[in-house]
Amino acid sequence: DAGVIQSPRHEVTEMGQEVTLRCKPISGHNSLFWYRQTMMRGLELLIYFNNNVPIDDSGMPEDRFSAKMPNASFSTLKIQPSEPRDSAVYFCASSSIQGSTEAFFGQGTRLTVV
Amino acid sequence: AQKVTQAQTEISVVEKEDVTLDCVYETRDTTYYLFWYKQPPSGELVFLIRRNSFDEQNEISGRYSWNFQKSTSSFNFTITASQVVDSAVYFCALSGFTGGGNKLTFGTGTQLKVEL
Repeated sequence: DAGVIQSPRHEVTEMGQEVTLRCKPISGHNSLFWYRQTMMRGLELLIYFNNNVPIDDSGMPEDRFSAKMPNASFSTLKIQPSEPRDSAVYFCASSSIQGSTEAFFGQGTRLTVV
Repeated sequence: AQKVTQAQTEISVVEKEDVTLDCVYETRDTTYYLFWYKQPPSGELVFLIRRNSFDEQNEISGRYSWNFQKSTSSFNFTITASQVVDSAVYFCALSGFTGGGNKLTFGTGTQLKVEL
């Protein structure tokens, strides 16, 4: 199994531009999580899906952030427009819905907004 | 609401010392899971252990051991005879089922520095 695959690994963009982060969860996992990691705030849960349905998006910081999971094998996190304070490492993770397995994390996307 | 508290922000030890990382959690769920993850300087998050709320047996894996105590809502992690390669940020996490979903919440992490 290739694990959780995130793309791109690094993204540098200018303020105001749209940014789309992508995630392919592990096959068979039906929970998917998006986290953001910064020095100031640590690991923050932004949103998570069960069976492709968003369950809790209370961690999404602003309307500029949106996430979708059109099918069981793909999810996107979009920031539009991006701002310098969005600079962070964004992790995607997947697990079984019962929580009885650990969450497997992707390598993360390091986003820099200049 | 779920909450995980790792009060120790940073710990520095000399190689071969034993070190314990503390984790205290809050949840209203009767069924939940606790986890420890390691994040080395390379940045990836590495799973270390999972415990469910019905299993309070302590666990040992090589130099690592975990002490789960429901009475104090704690899930502490001990590294015996620490090594430089143990230097990393360690996260404690909690997965519960509040609201029908399996929300996975992390603590703020403990930075462990092991020096020669």
